[in-house]
Amino acid sequence: QKEVEQNSGPLSVPEGAIASLNCTYSDRGSQSFFWYRQYSGKSPELIMSIYSNGDKEDGRFTAQLNKASQYVSLLIRDSQPSDSATYLCVVENYGGSQGNLIFGKGTKLSVKP
Amino acid sequence: EPEVTQTPSHQVTQMGQEVILRCVPISNHLYFYWYRQILGQKVEFLVSFYNNEISEKSEIFDDQFSVERPDGSNFTLKIRSTKLEDSAMYFCASSDWRDSYNEQFFGPGTRLTVL
Repeated sequence: QKEVEQNSGPLSVPEGAIASLNCTYSDRGSQSFFWYRQYSGKSPELIMSIYSNGDKEDGRFTAQLNKASQYVSLLIRDSQPSDSATYLCVVENYGGSQGNLIFGKGTKLSVKP
Repeated sequence: EPEVTQTPSHQVTQMGQEVILRCVPISNHLYFYWYRQILGQKVEFLVSFYNNEISEKSEIFDDQFSVERPDGSNFTLKIRSTKLEDSAMYFCASSDWRDSYNEQFFGPGTRLTVL
């Protein structure tokens, strides 16, 4: 059973701080990794994708991947109250012809004004 | 910006009834998916669909479930005889496998309540 593990939180940070979200995955053969944001009662929204070891930056978001350690992280700089949501670490399960996504349970982030 | 749409937003049904959930994927996407999320739990894969046939399905996707692309725009999930445990949010997603990467974009979901 392929698993994606995240600390469920809640993670509370003050406005303007850096939020750090972490994730580990079980399938060493995984190649594609994603971070989705989910507001309460809403659908997952893709915010970052990463495929190679190292860092990938997009605005205030930085995704980090270490395949040797089977570890993915997301940094959110200058956190805003609007960033308060559940962040889902997602790994592609490419075991068949099309691929599907394996979701972690999510880390709930709360940014306090 | 193109987006995935889903109807209805909320469906209430009686146990044993059939329901059809509808999705319109992003227009130039060819790969379609259904996921579900039971309240308070993680998102789970149900089925993937390409070129008018199922590519993969999970253990959840049993004989009570079926999918169809009845025309050039709609993608449907049918549950033949609903059970109480089918109550969940159902999300449709689509992907174009741009640059060989499977970035999937989700619709707003249909909340299914089985009474």
